[in-house]
Amino acid sequence: DTGVSQNPRHKITKRGQNVTFRCDPISEHNRLYWYRQTLGQGPEFLTYFQNEAQLEKSRLLSDRFSAERPKGSFSTLEIQRTEQGDSAMYLCASSTPGGGTTDTQYFGPGTRLTVL
Amino acid sequence: AQSVAQPEDQVNVAEGNPLTVKCTYSVSGNPYLFWYVQYPNRGLQFLLKYITGDNLVKGSYGFEAEFNKSQTSFHLKKPSALVSDSALYFCAVRLRGSTLGRLYFGRGTQLTVWP
Repeated sequence: DTGVSQNPRHKITKRGQNVTFRCDPISEHNRLYWYRQTLGQGPEFLTYFQNEAQLEKSRLLSDRFSAERPKGSFSTLEIQRTEQGDSAMYLCASSTPGGGTTDTQYFGPGTRLTVL
Repeated sequence: AQSVAQPEDQVNVAEGNPLTVKCTYSVSGNPYLFWYVQYPNRGLQFLLKYITGDNLVKGSYGFEAEFNKSQTSFHLKKPSALVSDSALYFCAVRLRGSTLGRLYFGRGTQLTVWP
């Protein structure tokens, strides 16, 4: 068990460019979450996958954002036409198998995005 | 709307003294409650959670938290603080009965333990 990993750890891009982040959950975790954290704030929920199905999306996830989990393992989060307001830490979490409502989310180290 | 409040942006304590980081919540029903810790440029590390049962929950690194239903609070405590406990602490809630599982976080409390 190597924990949740995220790549890249840092991304600097120019406004208007597209970026893609990857999250590898703890193996056999069937639930995967994306959150966004801006300076001075707690993480805010973006989207949730159970296996390959995207079951919930926050209103924060505008049309420029898309997330996938094609085989129910790793996930990608893409931001198109980045804006300076997209600058944030993007966190991925996965939760223990077995389901129920008491599973614990374990977080990756995050990808820090800076949009110039 | 669900909300989590951490009324103190900063808490400063001397090493060896007890520490408390406060959390109150306003959600539908009785939620599951969590504490996470974040070190600089790192993700969140799980400390402890309250599901049901004993109101005092023990977690990692000597931390514990007390659930108070009437006050809708879940304060994080440690009897004797260490300098290495200095970090950003987040309280979070998850709705009981929800299968979707999103966490609602407070804004965080910066804990500084000075030698």
